Amino acid sequence: DAGVTQSPTHLIKTRGQHVTLRCSPISGHKSVSWYQQVLGQGPQFIFQYYEKEERGRGNFPDRFSARQFPNYSSELNVNALLLGDSALYLCASRLTGGGTEAFFGQGTRLTVV
Amino acid sequence: GESVGLHLPTLSVQEGDNSIINCAYSNSASDYFIWYKQESGKGPQFIIDIRSNMDKRQGQRVTILLNKTVKHLSLQIAATQPGDSAVYFCAENLNAGNMLTFGGGTRLMVKP
Repeated sequence: DAGVTQSPTHLIKTRGQHVTLRCSPISGHKSVSWYQQVLGQGPQFIFQYYEKEERGRGNFPDRFSARQFPNYSSELNVNALLLGDSALYLCASRLTGGGTEAFFGQGTRLTVV
Repeated sequence: GESVGLHLPTLSVQEGDNSIINCAYSNSASDYFIWYKQESGKGPQFIIDIRSNMDKRQGQRVTILLNKTVKHLSLQIAATQPGDSAVYFCAENLNAGNMLTFGGGTRLMVKP
C-alpha cells in the first residue's frame, strides 16, 4: 500500500519566486494537512483540508495558500518566497478531520537562495 | 541525509537499556496525544498515541504515559536498539481538531 507521497523531494528556488508542492494522501483518507519544519524544530501547522474545504489555518502569511482536489490530493502554494521559507514541508494524511492517527509523507525540502 | 535537529536535547543510552523521553504539553484542553519518531531526511513516523481518558498505553516495546495533572507525556522504549536512534517529537491535538501542536523534540542516541 502506498503511504503519503509528496513531490518533489527537493527544490531550490530564488527569492521572490513562487513554488507549488504536491501531496497525495493514503488511499481512503480525506484529510490533508500541511506543516513547515525548520531545521532544529518541530513541525508547525500551516493548513488542514477535509473534504476539499479548508478546516484550519496556522499562523502563516497570506503568501501561503493551499487547495484540495476531488481525489483528495492537495497542493501547497507559496508566493514571493523569502529566505526564511527554507524548510522541510510535510504533508499529513488522516482518515477524518481530527482526533485520529496522522501519517506523514517524506516531505519536500525547499531551499530558497 | 540532512539532520533533523542540530541543537535538540539529547538522550544517550546503551543498547539494551530502557529509554524514557519526556515532554511537557501546553494545552490542558488537549485530548489526544501522539509520539512521532523522525529519522534524518524522513518525515515523522507514528509510534503510539493515547487519549486523555487514559493514563497509560502499551505497544510493542513502547509505552506512553500521560499525566494530565502536570501536563506531562512520556515515551518509554524497552530494550533500546540502534535502530531507535532518531529525533522523537510529542504532539497534542485539541478536541478532535485539525491541528497537531508539536513539542521541540529530543534526540535519542543509542550506543552499541
